[in-house]
Amino acid sequence: DTGVSQDPRHKITKRGQNVTFRCDPISEHNRLYWYRQTLGQGPEFLTYFQNEAQLEKSRLLSDRFSAERPKGSFSTLEIQRTEQGDSAMYLCASSFAQDSYNEQFFGPGTRLTVL
Amino acid sequence: GNSVTQMEGPVTLSEEAFLTINCTYTATGYPSLFWYVQYPGEGLQLLLKATKADDKGSNKGFEATYRKETTSFHLEKGSVQVSDSAVYFCSGRNTNAGKSTFGDGTTLTVKP
Repeated sequence: DTGVSQDPRHKITKRGQNVTFRCDPISEHNRLYWYRQTLGQGPEFLTYFQNEAQLEKSRLLSDRFSAERPKGSFSTLEIQRTEQGDSAMYLCASSFAQDSYNEQFFGPGTRLTVL
Repeated sequence: GNSVTQMEGPVTLSEEAFLTINCTYTATGYPSLFWYVQYPGEGLQLLLKATKADDKGSNKGFEATYRKETTSFHLEKGSVQVSDSAVYFCSGRNTNAGKSTFGDGTTLTVKP
């Protein structure tokens, strides 16, 4: 399977703990995106990378959130001191910037539950 | 910033009925427009797209036309099937921009 993969698929944690999610994009894609989706809502943009450079961050991304893509391949999203409001599905997507449509391919998501 | 407004759901139809899900957008310039589908337990999949005014995107019997004058991109299908039951998201993205803006999704249930 050469699609976007995310790990873990589910994470349950207690409030105040730190969590880290991983995303592996489609191998030739140079852009990688993170979105958050809460129940009944559409995905909300968090941040995106082109290669290893983080080009845009949403104001939704508080200082407890950090994302990295150190070698321009996989990416990690870390949430420190989790809060119940962080409970959501975290989606990763990738694309090839030089494609005319720059189509984004989505992974299955990581569902986070903060107790 | 950009915004996308979708018809509220849920929508329940009988098999072979006609489907319309409305979508309007507000954007600076003329974004590319997309419809995504999310089946239960799965990630978002691109259903169709259009990149400029009057373009018609189509796939699997679904169609949507980019209407600049009404800033709309309504999704239609002439005859729905039970297997079309899913959540549908309208989305827009400015050319070469990173982020996409999504509507809140419309849940479609098709009954036999």
